[in-house]
Amino acid sequence: DAGITQSPRYKITETGRQVTLMCHQTWSHSYMFWYRQDLGHGLRLIYYSAAADITDKGEVSDGYVVSRSKTENFPLTLESATRSQTSVYFCASTLASRGGEQYFGPGTRLTVT
Amino acid sequence: ILNVEQSPQSLHVQEGDSTNFTCSFPSSNFYALHWYRWETAKSPEALFVMTLNGDEKKKGRISATLNTKEGYSYLYIKGSQPEDSATYLCAFAGSGGSNYKLTFGKGTLLTVNP
Repeated sequence: DAGITQSPRYKITETGRQVTLMCHQTWSHSYMFWYRQDLGHGLRLIYYSAAADITDKGEVSDGYVVSRSKTENFPLTLESATRSQTSVYFCASTLASRGGEQYFGPGTRLTVT
Repeated sequence: ILNVEQSPQSLHVQEGDSTNFTCSFPSSNFYALHWYRWETAKSPEALFVMTLNGDEKKKGRISATLNTKEGYSYLYIKGSQPEDSATYLCAFAGSGGSNYKLTFGKGTLLTVNP
């Protein structure tokens, strides 16, 4: 299906484990983003990427790692999960035209126990 | 860290009422101001992207205005319907560095009672 997809949609993991959240888009959008949604904070940027092999930190990048070897994929890895990383994670992409309107994936709800 | 503020935090209106919300953002280094609509259990969807001072955009009963000199944008909903119930997010994109990196406000939660 065309669009932007995330997997898994739900994940429960234990403190200290490594977890990778996947994001895939079929539009060949150059820019991709990872956000986390927390009560009282809204959406906060974790990492973004302007193109394959170009990534940069956002507001809350500590404890996260990203890679972008292909334009369509932008995985987010929690190196050693902590309870404070329990959140809903959204991936988004933009063609970087028309002012950069972003298209969001369905989200991944991650619980760290 | 950029400051993007939205008010009010939440709003309850009756069906048929018109309403408006405010987004304030830095008035310097402006590139674009986005509005998104976010329904419960769904993903945010773009309503408007505005780039010019004085911009006015309209989509059906929803419209938005932009004042970059003073750093605010208004979102208006005319004749609210229950299906308008959602969180409305604004997001600021600054010039310099990446123009496409957004800083979001915390949103205004609108509930429209039938």
